[in-house]
Amino acid sequence: QKEVEQNSGPLSVPEGAIASLNCTYSDRGSQSFFWYRQYSGKSPELIMSIYSNGDKEDGRFTAQLNKASQYVSLLIRDSQPSDSATYLCAVKNTGTASKLTFGTGTRLQVTL
Amino acid sequence: DGGITQSPKYLFRKEGQNVTLSCEQNLNHDAMYWYRQDPGQGLRLIYYSQIVNDFQKGDIAEGYSVSREKKESFPLTVTSAQKNPTAFYLCASSDVRSQPQHFGDGTRLSIL
Repeated sequence: QKEVEQNSGPLSVPEGAIASLNCTYSDRGSQSFFWYRQYSGKSPELIMSIYSNGDKEDGRFTAQLNKASQYVSLLIRDSQPSDSATYLCAVKNTGTASKLTFGTGTRLQVTL
Repeated sequence: DGGITQSPKYLFRKEGQNVTLSCEQNLNHDAMYWYRQDPGQGLRLIYYSQIVNDFQKGDIAEGYSVSREKKESFPLTVTSAQKNPTAFYLCASSDVRSQPQHFGDGTRLSIL
């Protein structure tokens, strides 16, 4: 079974610091990777997509992909209390059409 | 506004009763999905559909049924065979080519 692994946390960072969230996946052929943010009691919201090795930046968010190491990460710069949420990593596995496999998420707490 | 509408927001089921959760999208997406999320857990795929009049079982389809008679609509029925239905149910849709899934606001189902 294709797996996506995340540390459940909580990851606690002070306001203004960089938060680093990590995700590993088992399917070496995976081509598409996504980060979702989920506030408590709400539905997941797509914040980043990444398809090729390297970094992709969008505002305070940077997604990093290393296919050789089967590792994808999300960096949040200048962390704000409003960033406190659970971050879900999702991977499109090979041969599964449009299905995604989700990790169980990392809970981030940004402290004042 | 384009989006995914789930209704109702809260639903209560009596023992032995079937209930149906609604999911409608106006994003012109071909693919639609149903997930279940339990407290502190990740997303588990119940059913998905990539085209009208066709759908496939996900990882936890037992006790659930779906239909896809229209592109815009993908209702989920939680049958009496599902003995532990209390959860947060999320509907998502995607363009098969661009792949990221976008979620509705969810339905919380509880047992009376």
